[in-house]
Amino acid sequence: GNSVTQMEGPVTLSEEAFLTINCTYTATGYPSLFWYVQYPGEGLQLLLKATKADDKGSNKGFEATYRKETTSFHLEKGSVQVSDSAVYFCALINNNAGNMLTFGGGTRLMVKP
Amino acid sequence: DAMVIQNPRYQVTQFGKPVTLSCSQTLNHNVMYWYQQKSSQAPKLLFHYYDKDFNNEADTPDNFQSRRPNTSFCFLDIRSPGLGDAAMYLCATSGLRASAYEQYFGPGTRLTVT
Repeated sequence: GNSVTQMEGPVTLSEEAFLTINCTYTATGYPSLFWYVQYPGEGLQLLLKATKADDKGSNKGFEATYRKETTSFHLEKGSVQVSDSAVYFCALINNNAGNMLTFGGGTRLMVKP
Repeated sequence: DAMVIQNPRYQVTQFGKPVTLSCSQTLNHNVMYWYQQKSSQAPKLLFHYYDKDFNNEADTPDNFQSRRPNTSFCFLDIRSPGLGDAAMYLCATSGLRASAYEQYFGPGTRLTVT
């Protein structure tokens, strides 16, 4: 079956620090990969996506590259801000599984001034 | 802007008193989903509709029902809420012609059961 594993949080960083949140997946075929962000009390927002190997998704200074050889989709940002404090979910959609989202467990990021 | 709307944002109900949460969308997507999320855990899919075709997850309790009267609206009915049903309920949509079938989420309804 499909599964997504991401690093446990919380991740606590100072403002302007470099961020990496690791995400690895297990899936047959060629899934599409996503990062969603959830700010406190809000729903999930699509942050970025990649649909095939070596694609790089990017948005708001965040980046993630679809690495099929390592089955990974790590999220990175060069300089975090306090406003980036949120929970981040890595997820995949696999056409072999009825196009349902499979989520990782979520990683809480806390950025201190 | 096209979007997914959930009402109300906060709902308080009493133990055992039926409650309905609503979701509407202006994206004209044919697939709509209901998720339950507790304490910033990953959302758990309850059911989804492909157009009017209802698909229930195997472990969704019978206490949870859904209706989709038209493309734009979908409702979640909790027939007899228990304390364990207190959670954030998220509605999402996707279009089969959308890029990568990505799902678009509403802001959620936080349900409190007293």
